[in-house]
Amino acid sequence: AQRVTQPEKLLSVFKGAPVELKCNYSYSGSPELFWYVQYSRQRLQLLLRHISRESIKGFTADLNKGETSFHLKKPFAQEEDSAMYYCALKGSGGYQKVTFGIGTKLQVIP
Amino acid sequence: KAGVTQTPRYLIKTRGQQVTLSCSPISGHRSVSWYQQTPGQGLQFLFEYFSETQRNKGNFPGRFSGRQFSNSRSEMNVSTLELGDSALYLCASSAGQDPYNEQFFGPGTRLTVL
Repeated sequence: AQRVTQPEKLLSVFKGAPVELKCNYSYSGSPELFWYVQYSRQRLQLLLRHISRESIKGFTADLNKGETSFHLKKPFAQEEDSAMYYCALKGSGGYQKVTFGIGTKLQVIP
Repeated sequence: KAGVTQTPRYLIKTRGQQVTLSCSPISGHRSVSWYQQTPGQGLQFLFEYFSETQRNKGNFPGRFSGRQFSNSRSEMNVSTLELGDSALYLCASSAGQDPYNEQFFGPGTRLTVL
């Protein structure tokens, strides 16, 4: 069974402080990992995926297969980063089910 | 380009009824995915379609079904509604076969089951 764990429901950081949103997964094969973001009163957006290795809005995420983690990081938080962040995993082979974490609300304090 | 549109935006049904939700992808997009969002279960994946073919599905009972038409528009149907089906149903579209490449979401359909 595949599982995605986001241990923090709420993460509060001060503006300018580093941000790390944690995501751990459980999957026996080779997963694909994603981060989604939902700003207040806006549509859900795909923020980034591990295969693209991009930095989006200053955020990066590295897949660590040894620790089965895909933490989202940003060196300096901005107020506009306040949002709900969801980590997701897509399995491989056969029906590629997608599983989401429960989400972490990031609150950037001015 | 117009974004992903979903109709209706709000819907109220009673238990036992059935409902059909519609999703119109961005023009030229051929992949459509559906998700259910609830406060208790969070985001859950329902289906994924490409060129009228269902390629992936989540762990939902057979009461949940979907399809995609030749113009890439997609519908999902829920039969014999239960109170627990109350949720925001989201669809997303993307251009190519990879549903997660340039994926854009619609505003959702808020379904309330009484």
